Amino acid sequence: ETGVTQTPRHLVMGMTNKKSLKCEQHLGHNAMYWYKQSAKKPLELMFVYSLEERVENNSVPSRFSPECPNSSHLFLHLHTLQPEDSALYLCASSQDSLGGTLTGELFFGEGSRLTVL
Amino acid sequence: AQSVTQLDSHVSVSEGTPVLLRCNYSSSYSPSLFWYVQHPNKGLQLLLKYTSAATLVKGINGFEAEFKKSETSFHLTKPTAHMSDAAEYFCVVTPNAGNMLTFGGGTRLMVKP
Repeated sequence: ETGVTQTPRHLVMGMTNKKSLKCEQHLGHNAMYWYKQSAKKPLELMFVYSLEERVENNSVPSRFSPECPNSSHLFLHLHTLQPEDSALYLCASSQDSLGGTLTGELFFGEGSRLTVL
Repeated sequence: AQSVTQLDSHVSVSEGTPVLLRCNYSSSYSPSLFWYVQHPNKGLQLLLKYTSAATLVKGINGFEAEFKKSETSFHLTKPTAHMSDAAEYFCVVTPNAGNMLTFGGGTRLMVKP
């Protein structure tokens, strides 16, 4: 199994749908992250969880709702999204709880490609 | 405050020729710097990192980068490009003070046969 697994890999949803993205890490890490990767924009940090507590929320709209039930799993619940939310959503984990800054190493999943119609 | 600028959004080289991907940073603190690579339809992978030890850093797949404080640069190089190097490369900065990583806009490297 790869270190960080994201499902689904592709998701198409209407603006009124409710869906969830799932991330699972098999590395024994303490911190997990959601990033948004849009075309022609830098990678945007959305949420950070450390030891299952949210430690960072970068002014993300409430239509994105994260959930971290344990240190191995991270969800991103999606509700009434907009077309501009179409992007690649990347999950990552790191061993330390300081945003990966102690080692600089984040381990990324392959992403969930979201299209909002 | 900190920021990172990747000077080229696209770089095209021929196989077997050198690669240079440019990165400049600004940081209020003594920074740590990283390069990540993202192959098509894949997540990002750490290529190499600088954390205030040797200024010339060697990474995976023959890549290396040199930290130049006077020029606030951390350019990524490789002597000879391979087709498998075609990917997007991200320069990343963080202060050594527990702040979050700041990603550059990325440079897409294309390798021609």
